Amino acid sequence: DIQMTQSPSSLSASVGDRVTITCQASQDISNYLNWYQQKSGKAPKLLIYDASNLETGVPSRFSGSVSGTDFTFSISSLQPEDIATYYCQQHDNLPITFGQGTRLEIK
Amino acid sequence: QVQLVQSGAEVKKPGASVKVSCKVSGYTLTEFSRHWVRQAPEKGLEWLGGFDPESRETFYAQKFQGRVTMTEDKSTNTAYMEVISLRAEDTAVYYCATGKPMVRGVILDYWGQGTLVTVSS
Repeated sequence: DIQMTQSPSSLSASVGDRVTITCQASQDISNYLNWYQQKSGKAPKLLIYDASNLETGVPSRFSGSVSGTDFTFSISSLQPEDIATYYCQQHDNLPITFGQGTRLEIK
Repeated sequence: QVQLVQSGAEVKKPGASVKVSCKVSGYTLTEFSRHWVRQAPEKGLEWLGGFDPESRETFYAQKFQGRVTMTEDKSTNTAYMEVISLRAEDTAVYYCATGKPMVRGVILDYWGQGTLVTVSS
């Protein structure tokens, strides 16, 4: 199975800050990496698919990029409603696998 | 509009089985891929398996082979996921989700609200 290493596990930032989360795959997964947001008690929500494609209806402050097997998820200007846990997920091979999650808090 | 509505919370004893339903509206069940993902309390997301409408095959994570079965009822547009031989470690919220169509791989774009399954003696 492909292992996804996500960091940091938790992050505290101020409103308006730029926030960055990284995800590293244990092998080459091309650009087959998605990012989800999960708010407390809710189902995950797709934000970014295939490394850098913004899902319809998702605010443009969210973005994703890839360099080799290293993937980056960013929020350009943190908003209070962005408080959530974020997960990466690879879909190059079955079984699909998720990162451990990054819990984002407001300072 | 695509909607996935799951059945309610369940409490089961160790060794029992549970069957969770996921009623789909806004598309025909066999059009898109569908998947089941679970989340143990305060833990991350874990894929159990999924159905590929192109190959008409159901794929299971090796960990769940033989213990999890995914089925469907086309007449009611409902998907089901059954877990047998339940143990305490199966306590989790179970989600159904659809895969984005016309793309390679598994991009989970619509999710059910989740079903809490508690396994306790």
